[in-house]
Amino acid sequence: QVQLQESGPGLVKPSQTLSLACTVSGGSISSGSRYYWSWVRQPAGKGLEWIGHIYSGGSTNYNPSLKSRVTMSVDTSKNQFSLKVISVTAADTAIYYCARCGGPPTFDYWGQGILVTVSS
Amino acid sequence: DIVLTQSPDSLAVSLGERATINCKSSQSVLSSSNNRNSLAWYQQKPGQPPKLLIYWASTRESGVPDRFSGSGSGTDFSLTISTLQAEDVAVYYCHQYYNTPDTFGQGTKLEIK
Repeated sequence: QVQLQESGPGLVKPSQTLSLACTVSGGSISSGSRYYWSWVRQPAGKGLEWIGHIYSGGSTNYNPSLKSRVTMSVDTSKNQFSLKVISVTAADTAIYYCARCGGPPTFDYWGQGILVTVSS
Repeated sequence: DIVLTQSPDSLAVSLGERATINCKSSQSVLSSSNNRNSLAWYQQKPGQPPKLLIYWASTRESGVPDRFSGSGSGTDFSLTISTLQAEDVAVYYCHQYYNTPDTFGQGTKLEIK
């Protein structure tokens, strides 16, 4: 059974960088090119926003609305992928989920989510 | 971006009755390459991540009860729960994966009447 777990600071100051990691267990992150590894966020009480995804080989696809501020990376030795968002504001306050996107390209496994608050 | 508009925003249905949630897309999500609609449905309970219920508009994910069904094509889709159970109280989201960026509907809150 694949499991995903987000980790990182729950509080980030405005204008600083949000950094999160997602550790995958129960399966290899580099098992062929069938899967891609995604980040989705959800402001409190609101809907879901796709941030982007990364393949195990390192190629990425980001939401254009966030592209200038987002970087994703993968560390196959740790079975982990990561998210960085620079120059954060209060609008980036949300629950951040990591998820596996399989074939079909839907989100079939999710982490429990991590609340990140942007505040001084 | 493809905009998905769900209706209604909230819905109260009696136990054992049918619940239907609609999702309208701003453009067709029917792929000519595989003749499939790139539309999925998720269920989210409080404090939990979303759970995949339906993909390709009508294919039930493994382990999802058969009271959940999806239908529609092109721009108009529905999620139906045939006989509502207490554990179905949740927010439901549609999701299109036809075009980048992936987008979601605003969500429909389903409650017991």
